[in-house]
Amino acid sequence: SQQGEEDPQALSIQEGENATMNCSYKTSINNLQWYRQNSGRGLVHLILIRSNEREKHSGRLRVTLDTSKKSSSLLITASRAADTASYFCATDVTGGTSYGKLTFGQGTILTVHP
Amino acid sequence: DADVTQTPRNRITKTGKRIMLECSQTKGHDRMYWYRQDPGLGLRLIYYSFDVKDINKGEISDGYSVSRQAQAKFSLSLESAIPNQTALYFCATSDLKAGGRFSTDTQYFGPGTRLTVL
Repeated sequence: SQQGEEDPQALSIQEGENATMNCSYKTSINNLQWYRQNSGRGLVHLILIRSNEREKHSGRLRVTLDTSKKSSSLLITASRAADTASYFCATDVTGGTSYGKLTFGQGTILTVHP
Repeated sequence: DADVTQTPRNRITKTGKRIMLECSQTKGHDRMYWYRQDPGLGLRLIYYSFDVKDINKGEISDGYSVSRQAQAKFSLSLESAIPNQTALYFCATSDLKAGGRFSTDTQYFGPGTRLTVL
């Protein structure tokens, strides 16, 4: 089964609104990353949050991590039509030396209407 | 990301044929990965390589093999393609930033290869 599960599976909003996506995972992690995928294209790294961090910002992105609940959220503020894409969380699981062996969630499809 | 290239970009083949997907990178990264993406299933790891002499099976390696010809090249082969291998295939690279327990390793993806097995 997937390490990361995302919610909602699809989100449709109007331009200017905020978009929030959630990710839950099952085992302890070193870090959690968010990636974006435009239709049929390769994934692009957005932001990484380490297990000892609780919140991180990058431009219009805000990521939170709650290790006690094994969950993370990605907030995109003031969304734009160009933010329309699929968003994936990926976890880098604790243990061994296999840092970088990520497990991806199923993704949230975000549609931002102009 | 233009630093990671994949060939071919699209391929249609028949059941039983041998197929090779190629990946090249100019980022100078040691680590390379092959994933497949199916609708509703996200990305699943097929094989990964942390350096030229280190190749490991991922979550779904059955029916696939890989070759790491050089630091910059990582090929994925389907020895005898079957229809349920129809998917979007991605290559990725990464560069570990060591930091003990807080090491980080972000991945850079190629544009993908859309493979259809009839």
